[in-house]
Amino acid sequence: KNEVEQSPQNLTAQEGEFITINCSYSVGISALHWLQQHPGGGIVSLFMLSSGKKKHGRLIATINIQEKHSSLHITASHPRDSAVYICAVVNFNKFYFGSGTKLNVKP
Amino acid sequence: DAGVTQSPTHLIKTRGQQVTLRCSPKSGHDTVSWYQQALGQGPQFIFQYYEEEERQRGNFPDRFSGHQFPNYSSELNVNALLLGDSALYLCASSSGGPRNTIYFGEGSWLTVV
Repeated sequence: KNEVEQSPQNLTAQEGEFITINCSYSVGISALHWLQQHPGGGIVSLFMLSSGKKKHGRLIATINIQEKHSSLHITASHPRDSAVYICAVVNFNKFYFGSGTKLNVKP
Repeated sequence: DAGVTQSPTHLIKTRGQQVTLRCSPKSGHDTVSWYQQALGQGPQFIFQYYEEEERQRGNFPDRFSGHQFPNYSSELNVNALLLGDSALYLCASSSGGPRNTIYFGEGSWLTVV
């Protein structure tokens, strides 16, 4: 069993739709990261959470420590949001990654 | 300010050979982590270096080794390459503890033939 599970694996949306990607984890964590990976490999860190909620532009990330669950929301989705979104948790300086959610936003 | 830089960007090696990948962290960062990402999968944590010591390690065999230099740059070495080692190798840097933002390099694509 993977320490980090993401859902859905693939997601297709129409431009403007509200999108939610979920992440559940089974280990104790120091922090949780949401990452964005574009074709070609480059990864960008979107959020680092240890509690509560963070917002950056159209992106919102929440975490529930008790339930070991985090969500990434994208409001008013746009084709440029198309990418793979990866949840990663940190446990004693060790990183565990989800397998990613491939998002395709159609115009 | 340069971010995390990795070299080479692409390389092809033969089974049984050895490879060295290099990473320069973002300015001011003292912690470097290495990850392996096979095609279509999420990254897998290889190890993390801090103060020139391996601080944490994932489930990778001893063929995977690393080093961190006094200027915080790092190398990943893989010996006795297998076809299954073909992957994107990512380096990330950070400073302080685990509750700090991590910055990734563009990665090194390794193909083993």
